[in-house]
Parts: sequence; C-alpha cells; structure tokens
Amino acid sequence: AQSVAQPEDQVNVAEGNPLTVKCTYSVSGNPYLFWYVQYPNRGLQFLLKYITGDNLVKGSYGFEAEFNKSQTSFHLKKPSALVSDSALYFCAVKGGYSTLTFGKGTMLLVSP
Amino acid sequence: NAGVTQTPKFQVLKTGQSMTLQCAQDMNHEYMSWYRQDPGMGLRLIHYSVGAGITDQGEVPNGYNVSRSTTEDFPLRLLSAAPSQTSVYFCASSPEGFLTDTQYFGPGTRLTVL
Repeated sequence: AQSVAQPEDQVNVAEGNPLTVKCTYSVSGNPYLFWYVQYPNRGLQFLLKYITGDNLVKGSYGFEAEFNKSQTSFHLKKPSALVSDSALYFCAVKGGYSTLTFGKGTMLLVSP
Repeated sequence: NAGVTQTPKFQVLKTGQSMTLQCAQDMNHEYMSWYRQDPGMGLRLIHYSVGAGITDQGEVPNGYNVSRSTTEDFPLRLLSAAPSQTSVYFCASSPEGFLTDTQYFGPGTRLTVL
C-alpha cells in the first residue's frame, strides 16, 4: 500500500527566511507526487507536481520541490517566506493507476 | 467557469438522518471524487468516479453512497448519519484522474452529526 509521511505537524519560519516542508513517501513503481495548499475555510489548491524528468519542480507562488528517489522524499521549499504563505500544506502521492493518497498535512506559520 | 461547487456549505444532522451533499463541476472533467478531512488525518478518499455511470469505492466508503448520472454532478449520500461522520467533505474533479492530472477542489461542506 502506498503512503505519505509529513513528519512535522507545524513549521514556523520568519518572513524573508527560507522554508522547507518535508514529505517522504512509499509507493510501488514510479511515483507521481503533488503538493497542495489549503487556506483557512477553503478547499485545496494545487501548487506543483512531479511526474518525470527534472528532479527540481517549480510551481505556483514561488514554491519549488525536489524529488529525491534514493531518499523517497519530495520536500517543498521556498527561498523567502511571506506571511501570506501561512496555510496548511499537503503532500500527496499516487503510484501507477492507484488513487491519490494524502499526507496528514503540515501547518506553516510565517511570522512578520 | 464556476469550477467545482458544493452545497450546502454547512449542515447539522441528527443521528440517523439522511442527506445528500451536492457537487457539480462545469469543466467537463471525467474524474470526480469525494474526500473527508478530519484533524490530524489529512484527506481520505470516500468514493470516486471515472466517468458518467461508473463509480468505485475509496479508502473509507462505509455509510456513504454515490451515483454519477451526468458528467457534471456527483452527489454524496449519507444513508443514516452517525457522529463519526462529522467532518469536512470536499469534492474534487480532474480531466484524467488516474494518471497525472491535477485535481480541482470545491470549497467544502462542514457537516456536524449530533
């Protein structure tokens, strides 16, 4: 069975500093990896995805993620955090023709 | 395009009552799905559909029914509500769900079962 782990319930970072939200996964075959963001009282919004090719994926709002096959990780990063980045972030994975499995989410809090 | 719409936004039920959560999309997407979101548990798939007339169970299907008579609509029915079904429910759609496509989420329905 496929699974996703987001080891941090919450990440705190000061505005202007770089941020990383961690994600590791387990899946049979080649993984398809996604990051979604959820703002308060809203549905999830797509940020970026890795399907194949370049291990560094760039997405919306200046976010990027690095696929590391040997470490089975797909960490979300941003060089300079904004207060408006504060939200709940979900990593998700699917393998082959399976459905999407979401992690439990990581709350990102960016302080002014 | 309105995208994915869900009604109602909020609902309170008593144990044993039934209701239908509505979901509609105007993007002509083939794939639609229902998730529930519970604190500390992320999103869990309830049911999904790969096209009109085709539905299948997800991770947590018990107590829920779905049907897909049109491409646009994918209602979720609670047959006999239980407190364990208190949750936030999200509907999502994508052009080709099983492969690599992005899912588009609705705003959610917050359901409380007393």
